[in-house]
Amino acid sequence: GAVVSQHPSWVICKSGTSVKIECRSLDFQATTMFWYRQFPKQSLMLMATSNEGSKATYEQGVEKDKFLINHASLTLSTLTVTSAHPEDSSFYICSAGHGGSSYEQYFGPGTRLTVT
Amino acid sequence: GENVEQHPSTLSVQEGDSAVIKCTYSDSASNYFPWYKQELGKRPQLIIDIRSNVGEKKDQRIAVTLNKTAKHFSLHITETQPEDSAVYFCAASIQAGTALIFGKGTTLSVSS
Repeated sequence: GAVVSQHPSWVICKSGTSVKIECRSLDFQATTMFWYRQFPKQSLMLMATSNEGSKATYEQGVEKDKFLINHASLTLSTLTVTSAHPEDSSFYICSAGHGGSSYEQYFGPGTRLTVT
Repeated sequence: GENVEQHPSTLSVQEGDSAVIKCTYSDSASNYFPWYKQELGKRPQLIIDIRSNVGEKKDQRIAVTLNKTAKHFSLHITETQPEDSAVYFCAASIQAGTALIFGKGTTLSVSS
């Protein structure tokens, strides 16, 4: 099967600091990865599409200067939450697919971010 | 863009009963409809999916039906068990390799 990992699984940071979250496809290459945010008792909301070797595509309402995405290789995408505030506290989940004609997305285990 | 509506938001059933969760989508170009089960603090787990060229798919106690004309699809769980209790999400995407758009989720509680 396809495995996607995330690191860290949880992080606590102080308001105003930056936090980097990594998403890796362990046994396949992914030209595209997706970042979702999930607040408690809510659904997964697409934040951005991460494209290997090019700029990420952000959804409406997501600040690209606050949520920096870098997809420098076919197996790694990073999400950096800059100048984090308590309202950024959430569960961040990435996903990736095999590409080509494959529809299925494989999700990482998620990263619980708490900003104090 | 695509919008996915999901109902009901909560569903309580007795063990052994059936549960049905319904979703509608707005973009007629959508052609992939997966269903996920998510337990608290964990990643969504794919339980069944359907492509738009198929009207129904079944996997043991779980089935999904799709009505492209009406733009809705449903999840059917038969002979529910307490371990089926979780949050279920429907989703849609327009083509392979594109992002999933999720419904708001249904909290299913199965009591024994």
